[in-house]
Amino acid sequence: IAGITQAPTSQILAAGRRMTLRCTQDMRHNAMYWYRQDLGLGLRLIHYSNTAGTTGKGEVPDGYSVSRANTDDFPLTLASAVPSQTSVYFCASSVSAGGGNEQFFGPGTRLTVL
Amino acid sequence: GQNIDQPTEMTATEGAIVQINCTYQTSGFNGLFWYQQHAGEAPTFLSYNVLDGLEEKGRFSSFLSRSKGYSYLLLKELQMKDSASYLCAVSDNDYKLSFGAGTTVTVRA
Repeated sequence: IAGITQAPTSQILAAGRRMTLRCTQDMRHNAMYWYRQDLGLGLRLIHYSNTAGTTGKGEVPDGYSVSRANTDDFPLTLASAVPSQTSVYFCASSVSAGGGNEQFFGPGTRLTVL
Repeated sequence: GQNIDQPTEMTATEGAIVQINCTYQTSGFNGLFWYQQHAGEAPTFLSYNVLDGLEEKGRFSSFLSRSKGYSYLLLKELQMKDSASYLCAVSDNDYKLSFGAGTTVTVRA
């Protein structure tokens, strides 16, 4: 059982390019999340999805979009990358959005935008 | 808005006890989580508190006081493998997590 996977592991991207970070979970979790982690700032929520077919904006959604066509996949797209989007991106999932359900995190994608 | 504060760094000796404090001011509260994150790795779940009091789980314990907006994570019998960042996260009215910046704990031999 893989749990939650992300691809690519790392990427260097030229500013202005489009990039999609992939996230897949095989735990049949309803809720999925995208965070970015920057030094000194901690994890910040970009977008989330409480169930397949629905998405919502987190704390820092600008410049990012997501889709949730099915339960397993939750891709994050940067339409036109900028250097301030250089960060480590973590995808996470939980059984459901409510209560004390722990979030399981993927291994992360280290993105550098030049 | 959310405001979650925890110390940036702590150092302790192998076998000792360390207490990591977390204070929060958030719009709504549906529980507080602690996660552990080793350098270069993903965060992993340690504990969840929604009621006041102490939750003990092996060498790790977590405490919550909702009236004071305060929690702590207690690590006992420290081991070298406990060197990591410890993240405090509060679940808001919509069950979304807001994270503190994390506390880096270094365990010395």
